[in-house]
Amino acid sequence: DAKTTQPPSMDCAEGRAANLPCNHSTISGNEYVYWYRQIHSQGPQYIIHGLKNNETNEMASLIITEDRKSSTLILPHATLRDTAVYYCIVTYPASYDKVIFGPGTSLSVIP
Amino acid sequence: SQTIHQWPATLVQPVGSPLSLECTVEGTSNPNLYWYRQAAGRGLQLLFYSVGIGQISSEVPQNLSASRPQDRQFILSSKKLLLSDSGFYLCAWSRNRGNQPQHFGDGTRLSIL
Repeated sequence: DAKTTQPPSMDCAEGRAANLPCNHSTISGNEYVYWYRQIHSQGPQYIIHGLKNNETNEMASLIITEDRKSSTLILPHATLRDTAVYYCIVTYPASYDKVIFGPGTSLSVIP
Repeated sequence: SQTIHQWPATLVQPVGSPLSLECTVEGTSNPNLYWYRQAAGRGLQLLFYSVGIGQISSEVPQNLSASRPQDRQFILSSKKLLLSDSGFYLCAWSRNRGNQPQHFGDGTRLSIL
């Protein structure tokens, strides 16, 4: 499975968009990009995933570059409750034994 | 809707004591089940996963074992805990077909004294 690289930490002002980058330059053609987040002392929460098209749901938007070597998770209007560690994961469908959660990006939303 | 339950939320155990953590899933059938451990300030490490009753795959050699006695029940055990077993233990489930996200429980914080 492809590895991912994320900045260790980011700040975002409350009410502004939070743009979290992820590099996955070795991604294979049928690997998906997943995003999860983990609020302190809780289990990770699934946010969104995609293959090559941009995706949007009630929580966030996922923008995947045309070459699929990087992606950006966008929280359109960050709130204090969005303060969490965000994990970008690349994995094959049904590759349940290969989902690797790295250190992620610690996002701090500042009032 | 589907829910996942883990208990207990916190546990303090002496070195050398046994361990049993339980995880159950409701609202789905034949899920894939997972046990992860997270050390303080670190990412998640996959310990075990299961695709069906009695089917357990281990990802790393360790002092722990897992069992799946029922379709929606996953148990993490140890006969003798080590100090290095301290951590945050998370159970997760996913549907047993491709391209499905994992859904996590609230975790058990285990401290070994």
